Amino acid sequence: QSVLTQPPSVSGAPGQRVTISCTGSSSNIGAGYDVHWYQQVPGTAPRLLIYGDNNRPSGVPDRLSASKSGTSASLTITGLQADDEADYYCQSYDASLSGWVFGGGTKLTVL
Amino acid sequence: EVQLLESGGGSLQPGGSLRLSCTASGFPFRTYGMAWVRQAPGKGLEWVSVITGSGGMTFYADSVKGRFSISRDNSKNTLDLQMNTLRAEDTARYYCAKARGAGHYSNWFFDVWGRGALVSVSA
Repeated sequence: QSVLTQPPSVSGAPGQRVTISCTGSSSNIGAGYDVHWYQQVPGTAPRLLIYGDNNRPSGVPDRLSASKSGTSASLTITGLQADDEADYYCQSYDASLSGWVFGGGTKLTVL
Repeated sequence: EVQLLESGGGSLQPGGSLRLSCTASGFPFRTYGMAWVRQAPGKGLEWVSVITGSGGMTFYADSVKGRFSISRDNSKNTLDLQMNTLRAEDTARYYCAKARGAGHYSNWFFDVWGRGALVSVSA
């Protein structure tokens, strides 16, 4: 069981908006540690999407945004496209574990 | 171009040892912390180990502490993971990743990833 909890799956039609949640605790997100998001297309390496709560590396479209509040964070994708179909992971740091932690991953299906 | 290339994966029996290597290029290697992250078949990502740029500090997940050892050679731009007393549950693709982040290492995230090296442990 992952320290950060994500829904196993979400789905949406092309053009729609979807949100993926990431729920932690007082020893990670709630302690103020940054949350980062990755995309992984099956069979490929993870790709950084969002860092430092809501910063996008170059090349990541502004259709993707993230937010954080309390012990939770979320990734929002607007204007859903077919190539958004992938697995998405949140990541933070956990003070109790003294290490980096990932969410269990959310599979996004574009209907 | 920033690149990370893992090598050394393979199949072996429980209790065995294996050493993974990662060769970095395209960035000032010694300036950045580096990490190993693994992914078991059909499962999610699991952080394994991190080493600071100088190599002076290392961190391990509880699941590998005492069995795995991370090291780096900044003169060769290489990162290694020595894996001992391997178990079936260590079966995974092991990714080398470049760490980045402002200030304390607790802010680090992983901005560049290799393609991974497959490790399979079974009797």
